Amino acid sequence: DQQVKQNSPSLSVQEGRISILNCDYTNSMFDYFLWYKKYPAEGPTFLISISSIKDKNEDGRFTVFLNKSAKHLSLHIVPSQPGDSAVYFCAASATGANSKLTFGKGITLSVRP
Amino acid sequence: DARVTQTPRHKVTEMGQEVTMRCQPILGHNTVFWYRQTMMQGLELLAYFRNRAPLDDSGMPKDRFSAEMPDATLATLKIQPSEPRDSAVYFCASGLVSNPLHFGNGTRLTVT
Repeated sequence: DQQVKQNSPSLSVQEGRISILNCDYTNSMFDYFLWYKKYPAEGPTFLISISSIKDKNEDGRFTVFLNKSAKHLSLHIVPSQPGDSAVYFCAASATGANSKLTFGKGITLSVRP
Repeated sequence: DARVTQTPRHKVTEMGQEVTMRCQPILGHNTVFWYRQTMMQGLELLAYFRNRAPLDDSGMPKDRFSAEMPDATLATLKIQPSEPRDSAVYFCASGLVSNPLHFGNGTRLTVT
């Protein structure tokens, strides 16, 4: 039973445009959400996070939106760059960032030059 | 720049053999996690430790997998005996207090 779902396996976007990556969750106990980015042959690296007490968090070109009532979050990348091409994992925790994380299966983002 | 170190990076072994994967967490981090990545399941949690004490290993097949932290600088994940279905990339991650986890670059295991 997937508690964190990333239903689109891949996304292709033109350089300079917006990338929107979606994630849904089913466990209402989750109160902290993170996005990790992964390049081939490397481990996931932390990108951005959001606590359930907020509905938006922004860091440079990256913004995460949280809709608790819909149990949905999204990652916006504006503008997209070719170096953003990677696999993006959505993760959730019931006890903060340094705790057991439940991951989605990931979305492969390709940014076309 | 501190990082989590995993060895070996690649391991090819025959079915039935013992496999040991090692992880050196970032100095000072008090939590260590083992995750497994497969195409079908994505990233699955196998086990995790806080202050070297095991907190949760419910994701591990107990009959063949074992995870330990002999000291604060070393975490190990052993598979005995290994099976072809264990083929995956195994990631170790470490963390501290309320900060996000840092992942190593993984051990790619192939069991033939």
